[in-house]
Formats: sequence, structure tokens, C-alpha cells
Amino acid sequence: QKEVEQNSGPLSVPEGAIASLNCTYSDRVSQSFFWYRQYSGKSPELIMSIYSNGDKEDGRFTAQLNKASQYVSLLIRDSQPSDSATYLCAVKRSYNTDKLIFGTGTRLQVFP
Amino acid sequence: GAVVSQHPSRVICKSGTSVKIECRSLDFQATTMFWYRQFPKQSLMLMATSNEGSKATYEQGVEKDKFLINHASLTLSTLTVTSAHPEDSSFYICSARSAYGGDNEQFFGPGTRLTVL
Repeated sequence: QKEVEQNSGPLSVPEGAIASLNCTYSDRVSQSFFWYRQYSGKSPELIMSIYSNGDKEDGRFTAQLNKASQYVSLLIRDSQPSDSATYLCAVKRSYNTDKLIFGTGTRLQVFP
Repeated sequence: GAVVSQHPSRVICKSGTSVKIECRSLDFQATTMFWYRQFPKQSLMLMATSNEGSKATYEQGVEKDKFLINHASLTLSTLTVTSAHPEDSSFYICSARSAYGGDNEQFFGPGTRLTVL
């Protein structure tokens, strides 16, 4: 079982729709969770971080964390073609490590 | 804020040569920098964790004598790929974590694409 799992996609949504990206992790003691966006040929860009159960909203993005289910998701409202990219979920295991464990990413395609 | 630069952005070299990649945090101090490698259509794989003033910690399977890491200051870490071979061709990305505050976020550099002929 991979430590961080994501559906590779592609996830195709029409412009203006809500895109829902999901991630599960195996280590129950994981503390910090991150979503990065990576355009083709570019390096990852941090979108959201979340540390507590529940929802965290930032503009069109909402991160959701459920530690009991070991599940973290990212919702993108009013999806735009410019949102088309690979979205990487990353997990930091505990407070005494800085290492991030990345999922393989979900490719999102937003079509006009 | 939180800008990380890498140099060079792209390098092509002959097999057997060594290549140095620089990673700089431009507007913050980074006690810890990370070096990742990403092959096409794969996720980021952590190679090593670099701490200012101390030896780097390498992930399992990464040859420390081949991938030399130096973190000489709070704003600069370098990765040297020694005796590069075609299988070392990849996208190398560094990231940095701020030395101050409680932030856990890592900020990534733009990456260096290495092609070994």
C-alpha cells in the first residue's frame, strides 16, 4: 500500500464546474497535509495546507480533512481551463520531521 | 515572499561529467532544504534533506557519493551530480522551509532539467 494515494486521472470537468480531488494516506499519525499544483514541465506550487479536521477555504479552493478516515480532498469551484494541471497531495508524518511524502498526482482537465 | 530560485534551469552535458545545481532562498532563511527528482509522468521522489552546517541526510537508495549536497549558508544549497550518466537525466527540484515561525510549508524552486547525453 502506498503511503499517499491519488487517482491518476485524468479528471475532466467542464468550465465552471466543481472539481473534486481526493487523497488517502496510510500513516494514521500524519499531522500536516498539503495540496500542490504542478503544470507540465514546471515545479509544484503550494495551493493549500490543512492541519485540522474540517474544511479550509481559500478563494475558489477548499481543502477538507478527515483524519478518522485518513482522507484529504481539494475542491475547486468555478473551474477554469487555467486550472488544468496535475494536483499533488503531500503528507508530513509528524512534528519532528520535515519530510513530505507525495502522492503520484491527479491530472485535472478543465474543458471550455 | 517565499521565493526559491534554482540555477541553471536547464543543462545538457556529456556522460561522465559533473553538474552542479544551485538552490537559493531569496527572501527568507532556510535551515532545511530538500532535493527531489522527478522522472516523466512520475511524482516527486525525495533524494535528500539538507541542513545548514551539517551533512545531508540521504533517502534509501540514493548514492551520497554520486549526489553531493552542500548547504553552506541559510540561503544556499548545492547539488552536484558527479560522473553523470544518461539514467541521471531527470527534473531536479529543490525546496526550502523557512527557519522561522511555525509554518510547515515547503516552497519549491523552478527546477533544473538535466539531460545527460
